Amino acid sequence: AQSVTQPDIHITVSEGASLELRCNYSYGATPYLFWYVQSPGQGLQLLLKYFSGDTLVQGIKGFEAEFKRSQSSFNLRKPSVHWSDAAEYFCAVGAGNNDMRFGAGTRLTVKP
Amino acid sequence: DAGITQSPRYKITETGRQVTLMCHQTWSHSYMFWYRQDLGHGLRLIYYSAAADITDKGEVPDGYVVSRSKTENFPLTLESATRSQTSVYFCASSDAGGVSTDTQYFGPGTRLTVL
Repeated sequence: AQSVTQPDIHITVSEGASLELRCNYSYGATPYLFWYVQSPGQGLQLLLKYFSGDTLVQGIKGFEAEFKRSQSSFNLRKPSVHWSDAAEYFCAVGAGNNDMRFGAGTRLTVKP
Repeated sequence: DAGITQSPRYKITETGRQVTLMCHQTWSHSYMFWYRQDLGHGLRLIYYSAAADITDKGEVPDGYVVSRSKTENFPLTLESATRSQTSVYFCASSDAGGVSTDTQYFGPGTRLTVL
């Protein structure tokens, strides 16, 4: 089965600074890749997804992610973080076998 | 448009009791899912359903039972709750495309504590 690793459990950035959240996956073929965000006490909301084509994917709220096959990575980026971006972020990998695996999550704290 | 709702939002029960968590969606999505969220594990798929009367196991199905008699409802039952089932449970739905290929829309979650 596929697996997902989010190496950073917790990241703190200053408001206005750039952000990169890491996601590495293990899967033999090209996976379906997702980033979800979870605000406190809420369910998950999709930020963006990659299935095929252009490896740089744009999402909502100014986020983007880049699929790098050679590195088995799908890192999430934002050029300028806002205080409202404080949340938990989950990378997920889907395979064609009706299996979806989520990473353990990265909690983002934004300093004023 | 209510979207996807879960009830109850919070539940405390005792070991050995039966508990049912409810999930209701108003979009007529084909697929519905149950996940549990535990610290350090992210979300893990318990069961999913591709349509009414069609259900299948996910990554961690043991100790859980599901049914889906109507498209809009997907209850999750813990037949004999154990402390290890203390968790936050999320229901989700997607329009088509299966478990691993389509955007999933999540409910607000149910926090279950088993004493």
